[in-house]
Amino acid sequence: DIQMTQSPSSLSASVGDRVTITCRASQSISNYLNWYQQKPGKAPQLLIYAASSLQSGVPSRFSGNGSGTDFTLTITSLQPEDFATYCCQQTYSILPLTFGGGTKVEIK
Amino acid sequence: QLQLQESGPGPVKPSETLSLTCSVSGGSIRSSDYYWGWIRQPPGKGLEWMGNIFYSGSTYYNPSLKSRLTISVDTSKNQFSLKLSSVTAADTAVYYCAGVCRRSGQLPSYYHYYMDVWGKGTMVIVSS
Repeated sequence: DIQMTQSPSSLSASVGDRVTITCRASQSISNYLNWYQQKPGKAPQLLIYAASSLQSGVPSRFSGNGSGTDFTLTITSLQPEDFATYCCQQTYSILPLTFGGGTKVEIK
Repeated sequence: QLQLQESGPGPVKPSETLSLTCSVSGGSIRSSDYYWGWIRQPPGKGLEWMGNIFYSGSTYYNPSLKSRLTISVDTSKNQFSLKLSSVTAADTAVYYCAGVCRRSGQLPSYYHYYMDVWGKGTMVIVSS
């Protein structure tokens, strides 16, 4: 299985801050990487697919970058509604599709 | 707008079979744009992909669950279903169904899969 490791596992930030979350794959996955946002008690929502493509309706303050084994999700100006858990997913190998452990973004 | 809704009978006893159904509305399960998937999340833990099915019946299963898992589709009802046999407490989780887009990528024979529509999730507790 391809292991996805996120860092940090949690962070505290203030409204307006620039936040960067990292996801590392255990082997090269090209750009087969998605990012999801999950709020407590809710289903995940797709933010970014194919490493850097913004899902329709997602604010432009979210961006994704990377290829190979190292990927980042950046929020340029954190908004109150962005406090949530963010999770990466690789789709290079479908057997199985695997998710990272998540990064919880909390209010400082 | 595509919407998904999970349903199931509630608590399950150890060693029994967990059964869930996902009803698709606002679109056809016969869409060539989507696979249909199940993902679960144990309390306080991360997401685990369980499997995908295409409306034709073609399936992909997580190898860790393959011996216990069956995903099926009923195009007449616009639904797809999950059966997980021989459950234990470790199968206690929120179970989500999702619409999974598949798109060709840069690499031949490698596809992007992304879950762009999700159900709200249903909590399944395995307990005697």
